[in-house]
Amino acid sequence: DADVTQTPRNRITKTGKRIMLECSQTKGHDRMYWYRQDPGLGLRLIYYSFDVKDINKGEISDGYSVSRQAQAKFSLSLESAIPNQTALYFCATSEGWETQYFGPGTRLLVL
Amino acid sequence: QKEVEQDPGPLSVPEGAIVSLNCTYSNSAFQYFMWYRQYSRKGPELLMYTYSSGNKEDGRFTAQVDKSSKYISLFIRDSQPSDSATYLCAMSGGTGANNLFFGTGTRLTVIP
Repeated sequence: DADVTQTPRNRITKTGKRIMLECSQTKGHDRMYWYRQDPGLGLRLIYYSFDVKDINKGEISDGYSVSRQAQAKFSLSLESAIPNQTALYFCATSEGWETQYFGPGTRLLVL
Repeated sequence: QKEVEQDPGPLSVPEGAIVSLNCTYSNSAFQYFMWYRQYSRKGPELLMYTYSSGNKEDGRFTAQVDKSSKYISLFIRDSQPSDSATYLCAMSGGTGANNLFFGTGTRLTVIP
C-alpha cells in the first residue's frame, strides 16, 4: 500500500462549490503539507502542519483552509472554488523539511 | 526574482548520454539541496539530498552544490529511457526554516 494516499484522484467542480481534498499517511510522520502545482510555476506551498495542534499558512493560502484531524490525516478545503484554483494538488509528509514524501496528487478542474 | 530558477526544458537526449540539470538560487541562507524526480501523473519522489557545498554520488546520479555561485547541478550518467521524467530541484534554509522552495522542473526525455 502507498505511504501517502489522496482522495479523490480527479475532481471536476463548478465555481462557488465547496470541495474537500483528503490525505492520509502511514509513515508515522508529524509533518504534513499541501502544495499545488501549476505549469511554469512549479510546486507552491499552501498550508503545512507540524503536529495535530499546529497549522501554518504557506505561500498561497488565500481561498484555502485545512484541517488536521489526526496525525495521519490532513484535509484541504476550497470554501468557494474559483477557476484559477484549477491545478494539481499534492499532499506530502516528512520528519524534517528536506525529505518530503508526496502522494499521487489530485487533479482539480473548476469550471 | 524567483527564489529558485530552473530551465524548464524540455531536454531530449539519446540513451547512454550524460545529462546535466541545473538550478540557480538567490537566497544565501539555503543549506539543504534536493533533487526530486516526478514521473507523469505521479507525485515527486526524492532522488538526491545534499547539505551545504560539495558533491554527492549515488549510482548513476551525482549532485553538486556550489554555494559561492548559488548553483546546483544533477548529473545523470549512462542515461536510460526509464530516466525520462521531470526533475525538480528544491532547497531549504534548514533548522528553523519554514518553507521548501522548488524549481519549476526540467522535463527530460531519454530516447532509446
